[in-house]
Amino acid sequence: DAGVIQSPRHEVTEMGQEVTLRCKPISGHDYLFWYRQTMMRGLELLIYFNNNVPIDDSGMPEDRFSAKMPNASFSTLKIQPSEPRDSAVYFCASSFVRPSYNSPLHFGNGTRLTVT
Amino acid sequence: AQKVTQAQTEISVVEKEDVTLDCVYETRDTTYYLFWYKQPPSGELVFLIRRNSFDEQNEISGRYSWNFQKSTSSFNFTITASQVVDSAVYFCALGGGFKTIFGAGTRLFVKA
Repeated sequence: DAGVIQSPRHEVTEMGQEVTLRCKPISGHDYLFWYRQTMMRGLELLIYFNNNVPIDDSGMPEDRFSAKMPNASFSTLKIQPSEPRDSAVYFCASSFVRPSYNSPLHFGNGTRLTVT
Repeated sequence: AQKVTQAQTEISVVEKEDVTLDCVYETRDTTYYLFWYKQPPSGELVFLIRRNSFDEQNEISGRYSWNFQKSTSSFNFTITASQVVDSAVYFCALGGGFKTIFGAGTRLFVKA
């Protein structure tokens, strides 16, 4: 069974540009999470979806960030416009049922974003 | 509020030494899950173990063992006879509701 697939693995962009990160969760998993990892703040939950519906986006730092899940097998995280402080590794994770009470999180390999 | 504290930022050991990674958590939930994840230098996050709040039995898996003590809100992780391949960042995490909160991580260096 394929794991969570994220693309691209690396993204380098200039400040002000739009960035789109992509994620394909594990088939059958009904929860999808976006995390951001930085040295200063560690692993932060940005947003999560249940059955393609956004449930909690309280971790999204600013209106520049948006996330969608148009179907069960695809999600995007968009930053527009990007800023240097957005530089981080962005992880997508999926799980089934209630993640904290049943399935652990299955993480993708992450997208390393560098905004210059 | 929920919180996970990993007080050890970095640990360095020589191969074959035993090492314990500490994790202390805070939660008001009566039902919750605790996890350990490993992040090797390649960057991916790998699930190691899950423990629910009603199961305080210690667990051993090969060279890995976990000690869950509800009385002290701790969920410590011990690697016996460490190996160079154990070098990684290890995260303790607390699951309550739908969210999983991660500690800051402990970076383990195992020298040959």
